[in-house]
Amino acid sequence: GQNIDQPTEMTATEGAIVQINCTYQTSGFNGLFWYQQHAGEAPTFLSYNVLDGLEEKGRFSSFLSRSKGYSYLLLKELQMKDSASYLCAVTDSNYQLIWGAGTKLIIKP
Amino acid sequence: GAGVSQSPRYKVAKRGQDVALRCDPISGHVSLFWYQQALGQGPEFLTYFQNEAQLDKSGLPSDRFFAERPEGSVSTLKIQRTQQEDSAVYLCASSPVGDQSSYEQYFGPGTRLTVT
Repeated sequence: GQNIDQPTEMTATEGAIVQINCTYQTSGFNGLFWYQQHAGEAPTFLSYNVLDGLEEKGRFSSFLSRSKGYSYLLLKELQMKDSASYLCAVTDSNYQLIWGAGTKLIIKP
Repeated sequence: GAGVSQSPRYKVAKRGQDVALRCDPISGHVSLFWYQQALGQGPEFLTYFQNEAQLDKSGLPSDRFFAERPEGSVSTLKIQRTQQEDSAVYLCASSPVGDQSSYEQYFGPGTRLTVT
């Protein structure tokens, strides 16, 4: 079966750095997305990785290792508004997006 | 420009009723997706349209679920004879390209369906 694993919940302090991990086992791989979802709102796109390595975009970076079936999202200089769920999603060989359950990130002052 | 809109935002249906959920994608977007999201879970794929063609409906949970996009813009997800297990948020997303794999999707706010 297809599976995306992420921690259910993480807590971090305002101004700090946090790394949210995602491991996947899917039938094929055609890219990995990270989305942010605030409670009661729609997911919004953060990043897309299809090749191994680190993609940096402001305070957010995303890393991919296809051989390990592993990605992480790194958030720097955390702000209270970063409190949200972070969803990892993988495109499989049928070009269908398989979503993880999301990691709820709680930021404390 | 306007983003993806969905209506109604909230729907309460009695078990056995039929419901229709509407999605207005971003103008000109080729691809349209429907997802079902249970509380505390990620979205689950339901179906995918490229313009008016429904290219993938493998995620529809039963034949009570039906989706259409007759003119390649607005889409409707219809659920017949609703059951309690249909209670969820139904998300619609659109994308400007016809390739569903490599481009970000723009999500609407969702319709929260509660079946009593």
